[in-house]
Amino acid sequence: EDQVTQSPEALRLQEGESSSLNCSYTVSGLRGLFWYRQDPGKGPEFLFTLYSAGEEKEKERLKATLTKKESFLHITAPKPEDSATYLCAVFYTGGFKTIFGAGTRLFVKA
Amino acid sequence: GAGVSQSPSNKVTEKGKDVELRCDPISGHTALYWYRQSLGQGLEFLIYFQGNSAPDKSGLPSDRFSAERTGGSVSTLTIQRTQQEDSAVYLCASSKTSGVNTGELFFGEGSRLTVL
Repeated sequence: EDQVTQSPEALRLQEGESSSLNCSYTVSGLRGLFWYRQDPGKGPEFLFTLYSAGEEKEKERLKATLTKKESFLHITAPKPEDSATYLCAVFYTGGFKTIFGAGTRLFVKA
Repeated sequence: GAGVSQSPSNKVTEKGKDVELRCDPISGHTALYWYRQSLGQGLEFLIYFQGNSAPDKSGLPSDRFSAERTGGSVSTLTIQRTQQEDSAVYLCASSKTSGVNTGELFFGEGSRLTVL
């Protein structure tokens, strides 16, 4: 079955405590892996696109990496304003659509 | 408009009534998606419109759900004979590219549906 699995479901960090979120996928014909941030009551907001294994993208305290079966979103020295749900999605030719994982809820305490 | 616009932002209806949810995508975007998000859950794929091709309806949960996209722009998601389990936030997203080159999605704020 084509699916995207994210872990952990929730993550609580102290401000400044670095960590990583995981996104694993089992789809055929990956064309792109996307990370989004979603704040409560809002639609998801695009962060990164990764297209091939070994690729990395960075934006402020966030860094996304991709292997053949999973992606990691590394958060370095997080701040309370990084608290949000982080969603992983893939577009794949096996289904020709974009599907999402369930997300990781991140809480950063000052 | 500048972004994806959805209406209504909130809808409360009684069980058994029909509802229509509207999405205005970003001008020129060829791909349009509908997703459903239940409280605290991820995004459940419903339907995907890709340019002039036949839509991918594989995610629609039952024949009470249908969607149209007129003139390659505005889309309407219709839920007939609503049930309490239909209560969720319905998110619309568009993308300027489609097919194998589908890129990032731009989301609206969602339509929150509550079925009493």
